[in-house]
Amino acid sequence: DQQVKQNSPSLSVQEGRISILNCDYTNSMFDYFLWYKKYPAEGPTFLISISSIKDKNEDGRFTVFLNKSAKHLSLHIVPSQPGDSAVYFCAASDGTGRRALTFGSGTRLQVQP
Amino acid sequence: ETGVTQSPTHLIKTRGQQVTLRCSSQSGHNTVSWYQQALGQGPQFIFQYYREEENGRGNFPPRFSGLQFPNYSSELNVNALELDDSALYLCASSLKRTSTDTQYFGPGTRLTVL
Repeated sequence: DQQVKQNSPSLSVQEGRISILNCDYTNSMFDYFLWYKKYPAEGPTFLISISSIKDKNEDGRFTVFLNKSAKHLSLHIVPSQPGDSAVYFCAASDGTGRRALTFGSGTRLQVQP
Repeated sequence: ETGVTQSPTHLIKTRGQQVTLRCSSQSGHNTVSWYQQALGQGPQFIFQYYREEENGRGNFPPRFSGLQFPNYSSELNVNALELDDSALYLCASSLKRTSTDTQYFGPGTRLTVL
C-alpha cells in the first residue's frame, strides 16, 4: 500500500526551462511534506518543505505547491540547471509524535545542457 | 556545523550473520531516525530514537534493533541477516522542537548480504 506515489520514474527537460515533479498521497493524516534531492552515493539532501496549512512555499528557484483536496503536491524548478540532475523524492509525515517520513519511489530528473 | 555521518560506507556480510551500523547526528540534534532504501525504491522508515528511547517503529521485524547514546549518536543492529536485507541504510537526525522538524540525512551505509 503506497501512501506516497511519484508516478513518473523519469523526466528530461532543457536547461533554462521549468521542471515540474509531481507527487500524490492517500493518507489524510499527512500534514507536512518535503522534497529531497539525491545524488548517487550520497544521502538525500533536504530541498524544501510545506505545511498543510499552506498551499505554496518558495525558496529561490524551487517552489512547492500543495493541493490538499486533490492530495497532490508538485515541485517546480525554474530555471532548471544541469546541476539539478538527480533523483527527487517526495516525502510526507503525519501528526503523530514520531514524525516518521513516508517516501515516494522517486523521479529521476535529467536537465539537458 | 558537522553534518550527519555514518560508518562504515560499505559492508558485506553473509546470511545469518549480525551487523552493526553507526550514525553521528548533526550537532545539536536530539532525534535520530533510521531508514532502509532498497534498489529503485524510496527510503522506508525503520525506527526513531528521541533522547535514548525508541519513539516509533515502522514495519520491520524485531531482529532490527537500535540504540541512541547520551551524545545522540546511534546504532542500528540487524540480527540473522537475510538476503533481502541488502540495501542502503540511511540515518537522519532532527531537532524535535516543533511539529515540522526537518530530518537531515547522512550518506548511508551500503549493506550487501551474500
